[in-house]
Amino acid sequence: QVQLQQWGAGLLKPSETLSLTCALYGGSFSVYGWTWIRQPPGERPEWIGDILHTGDNNYSPSLRSRLTMSEDTSKRRISLRLTSVTAADTAVYYCVLSDHSTEYWGQGTLVTVSS
Amino acid sequence: EIVLTQSPGTLSLSPGEGGTLSCRASQSVNNNLLSWYHQKPGQAPRLLVHGASIRATDIPDRFSGSGSGTDFTLTISRPEPEDFGVYYCQQYGNSPRTFGPGTKVEIK
Repeated sequence: QVQLQQWGAGLLKPSETLSLTCALYGGSFSVYGWTWIRQPPGERPEWIGDILHTGDNNYSPSLRSRLTMSEDTSKRRISLRLTSVTAADTAVYYCVLSDHSTEYWGQGTLVTVSS
Repeated sequence: EIVLTQSPGTLSLSPGEGGTLSCRASQSVNNNLLSWYHQKPGQAPRLLVHGASIRATDIPDRFSGSGSGTDFTLTISRPEPEDFGVYYCQQYGNSPRTFGPGTKVEIK
């Protein structure tokens, strides 16, 4: 049974760096790909970026200058790093694993940016 | 960037009475790579349909997707009480991926 477990700091001050990790339990790490999605309170989801098993990353243009996504195949986990956060980065952040027929979502991490 | 609009904003359905949700794209979605999600309060979105019309694993056949180009629909036939929530469309054929604003479905 595939499960995704995410963790990271939930409260940040403006200008700090957001760091999240997502680990895969069960299943195959090298499936279709990984995605990070975030959802501000009461709003629609927003795509952050993809990590493809080809080794390429695809980032949202609006976040690209502040964003780093990486994977550690040996530890079966991926990471997200977003620098210089502001209140606009307040959201629930999700990691998503896709294969050709379904998706698996992490439990979500609420990240609040406040001074 | 492709902008997705969804209609109606709110849809009220009776158990057993089907309904249709619409998603329109500002330009053609490459390879009809459009998906539908269902989200209940406090939960992560759940993938229902990908590739415009392919049901995801374990999704009941009362959910069906159709459409191509710029116009897509999700039909819920014989809705169940657990189908309440917000339904989002997402296009992933063009970068950046984008989501629609959602349709809120209420079950009477």
